[in-house]
Amino acid sequence: QKEVEQNSGPLSVPEGAIASLNCTYSDRGSQSFFWYRQYSGKSPELIMFIYSNGDKEDGRFTAQLNKASQYVSLLIRDSQPSDSATYLCAVKDAGGTSYGKLTFGQGTILTVHP
Amino acid sequence: NAGVTQTPKFQVLKTGQSMTLQCAQDMNHNSMYWYRQDPGMGLRLIYYSASEGTTDKGEVPNGYNVSRLNKREFSLRLESAAPSQTSVYFCASSERPGPNSPLHFGNGTRLTVT
Repeated sequence: QKEVEQNSGPLSVPEGAIASLNCTYSDRGSQSFFWYRQYSGKSPELIMFIYSNGDKEDGRFTAQLNKASQYVSLLIRDSQPSDSATYLCAVKDAGGTSYGKLTFGQGTILTVHP
Repeated sequence: NAGVTQTPKFQVLKTGQSMTLQCAQDMNHNSMYWYRQDPGMGLRLIYYSASEGTTDKGEVPNGYNVSRLNKREFSLRLESAAPSQTSVYFCASSERPGPNSPLHFGNGTRLTVT
């Protein structure tokens, strides 16, 4: 059973701070990694994805991937109250019977307070 | 451009009743998916269709059937609903099943089985 685990929340940070969301995965064959944001009562929406080791930046968001440690994280700089949501880590396989399927973590609830 | 459209948005069923959840995408995507989301469980894959004419089981297929009617449409059927199937159901699509293709989600169907 392939597993994706996220740091337990909820996570609360003050406005303007850096929010750090973490995710580990069990399958070394995983190829690509996604972060989705889900507002309460809404559908998940893609924030960013990363395939290669290292950092990938997109505006206030930075995804970090370490395949040797099977670890992926999302940093949100200058957090805003509008960033308050559940953040879902998702991992995708590239081959075998799991081809193309996305496995999600349970999500971390982030609250940014003014 | 509507993206991924799911119907209905809400549904209440009695135990033993059947129903079909409809999903259609207008992005010319090859792959389509059905997920369910339960509190504390994240999103779990029920069935997916890597391409038109193919379907395969995900993590939690028991009690469900699917039909990939054509490239645009992917339906999920509950033959005999059970209270354990109370959940939020999301349909999603991706351009292709491979690792570099993120999911696009519909708005969800909130199903209650009494």
